[in-house]
Amino acid sequence: EPEVTQTPSHQVTQMGQEVILRCVPISNHLYFYWYRQILGQKVEFLVSFYNNEISEKSEIFDDQFSVERPDGSNFTLKIRSTKLEDSAMYFCASTPQGGPLGDTQYFGPGTRLTVL
Amino acid sequence: GEDVEQSLFLSVREGDSSVINCTYTDSSSTYLYWYKQEPGAGLQLLTYIFSNMDMKQDQRLTVLLNKKDKHLSLRIADTQTGDSAIYFCAESPGYSTLTFGKGTMLLVSP
Repeated sequence: EPEVTQTPSHQVTQMGQEVILRCVPISNHLYFYWYRQILGQKVEFLVSFYNNEISEKSEIFDDQFSVERPDGSNFTLKIRSTKLEDSAMYFCASTPQGGPLGDTQYFGPGTRLTVL
Repeated sequence: GEDVEQSLFLSVREGDSSVINCTYTDSSSTYLYWYKQEPGAGLQLLTYIFSNMDMKQDQRLTVLLNKKDKHLSLRIADTQTGDSAIYFCAESPGYSTLTFGKGTMLLVSP
């Protein structure tokens, strides 16, 4: 069964450094998402992406964040200058177009980001 | 804004039924989901229900939706130790993002 994959599974970085989290969505999906889950808290929406542009973003997704689909298969989340409070599990999700499951989001296993 | 609330913890014995409850505030919710998160793993879609349905059964899982009270429940029959995980309720108006609850930790003891 096709699945969303994410790399790396765990990323450790120093405060102020740039990180890029990578995701490979399910191949025929058209909508892509990033969520994060700070330890012990809710899963929070960051951004959605469709047709090579951001379709919606939350207050969390400030100028330090950016997303890109560089090559038609990868979907990346970049944090330009990481802060301690960016430490979280970051989940990528994708959605197929149409059908009864057209809006059901399939999640990757997550990347745990630790900022020291 | 939209909010989803769940009880934080449920403990059951193996073989019993588990019922995890969720309430939501968004009246435009079209899709309601249950996701499972095992330790160290990602979010696994368990089941979903459309807002025009009252009940959905999928093997050991039964989802009940009371749209008037904005209450969703997940019943797991014959709960096994492998069902121990965090269960997230989530809602979506169908064209946008998911709003998650904090998750209910289900602990199944032998």
